[in-house]
Amino acid sequence: ELKVEQNPLFLSMQEGKNYTIYCNYSTTSDRLYWYRQDPGKSLESLFVLLSNGAVKQEGRLMASLDTKARLSTLHITAAVHDLSATYFCAVDQRETSGSRLTFGEGTQLTVNP
Amino acid sequence: DAGVIQSPRHEVTEMGQEVTLRCKLISGHNSLFWYRQTMMRGLELLIYFNNNVPIDDSGMPEDRFSAKMPNASFSTLKIQPSEPRDSAVYFCASSLGPTIHRELFFGEGSRLTVL
Repeated sequence: ELKVEQNPLFLSMQEGKNYTIYCNYSTTSDRLYWYRQDPGKSLESLFVLLSNGAVKQEGRLMASLDTKARLSTLHITAAVHDLSATYFCAVDQRETSGSRLTFGEGTQLTVNP
Repeated sequence: DAGVIQSPRHEVTEMGQEVTLRCKLISGHNSLFWYRQTMMRGLELLIYFNNNVPIDDSGMPEDRFSAKMPNASFSTLKIQPSEPRDSAVYFCASSLGPTIHRELFFGEGSRLTVL
């Protein structure tokens, strides 16, 4: 069974600081996704990573994928309050007849002024 | 283009009642996923369909839960009879076919409270 683990689960940081969220998974996969969820809201797709070494950047967020280490990172640069949300990684587990996404537990990020 | 549309957004019901949640996919998408989100268990995949066919329903908690996809653009998730432990937010998500990557587009969710 595929396990997806995020670290840390809770992160409180000051505006202007940098930090990294880690996502480890237990089986081979070359497709990984990052989502953002605001309280009481739906999940919004942030990044789609489809190969080893893939790096995507959007604003203050940068995501990368190392399929050999089974690790993805979401790096936050110079955090601002608007980035406060819960961030999920999800791993694509391919099966004979399709594929399914397994989500991590989520990292609840709070950016303090 | 409209996103994934779910209804109802909120439902409060009493234990033992039947609950039906509805989902309309994004036009052109042919994969449909039902997830349940709770504080204790996070996001759990209940079932997913490719081209209207259920592929994996191993996440469906028990026989009280059933899901259908009567056509390419619409799905229902039914709970009968409902129990308090079913209280959760139920998300529907759609994506392009399995040969393409699985970026999911989520609906706004249906928040279910069973008293």
